[in-house]
Amino acid sequence: AQKVTQAQTEISVVEKEDVTLDCVYETRDTTYYLFWYKQPPSGELVFLIRRNSFDEQNEISGRYSWNFQKSTSSFNFTITASQVVDSAVYFCALSEALTGNQFYFGTGTSLTVIP
Amino acid sequence: DTEVTQTPKHLVMGMTNKKSLKCEQHMGHRAMYWYKQKAKKPPELMFVYSYEKLSINESVPSRFSPECPNSSLLNLHLHALQPEDSALYLCASSRLGGVEGYTFGSGTRLTVV
Repeated sequence: AQKVTQAQTEISVVEKEDVTLDCVYETRDTTYYLFWYKQPPSGELVFLIRRNSFDEQNEISGRYSWNFQKSTSSFNFTITASQVVDSAVYFCALSEALTGNQFYFGTGTSLTVIP
Repeated sequence: DTEVTQTPKHLVMGMTNKKSLKCEQHMGHRAMYWYKQKAKKPPELMFVYSYEKLSINESVPSRFSPECPNSSLLNLHLHALQPEDSALYLCASSRLGGVEGYTFGSGTRLTVV
């Protein structure tokens, strides 16, 4: 079973629009971490955020914000006033305390910001 | 130093060649990983090293041979690869347990001809 689902395969927005990337996860563990990574065309995976299962506070970092809702097992990512440099593939990932050294990646959402 | 450094960035090799990918980190992380990523797909785990010992091998063909000579270095030796092995190879490191997240290198883009 897919532990992390990113239903949006590709999204295109016009510059300055807001965009939300969805992430739904599945786990039986009570202790887990959720992540978002950005992968620009150059290839490196850039860490954006980590959230643990005990902290449901939403977080804002500049134009980025994250909405963590345990009730719906979702960890959505919003980019406000998108820019061309935001064009990349974004991966949501899950790490469970029980399985330790295992990252479960979602299938990724490819975001294109059109100037 | 908060980086994972991978060399080379690009590699083209023939099916009879032997080559090695290198990965280095100086963050004191005791877990290191090799991932393979095909275009438009998420990274797939290949190997995990914990305290320089191989702890997970995700049924990877023997033409890929990992090596962890010390706590800062991770190599991936390549021999007799196939064209379908062409991909981006990512190295990552983490504190033991890995639940707090990985630091990824920028990858080696491998083409097998």
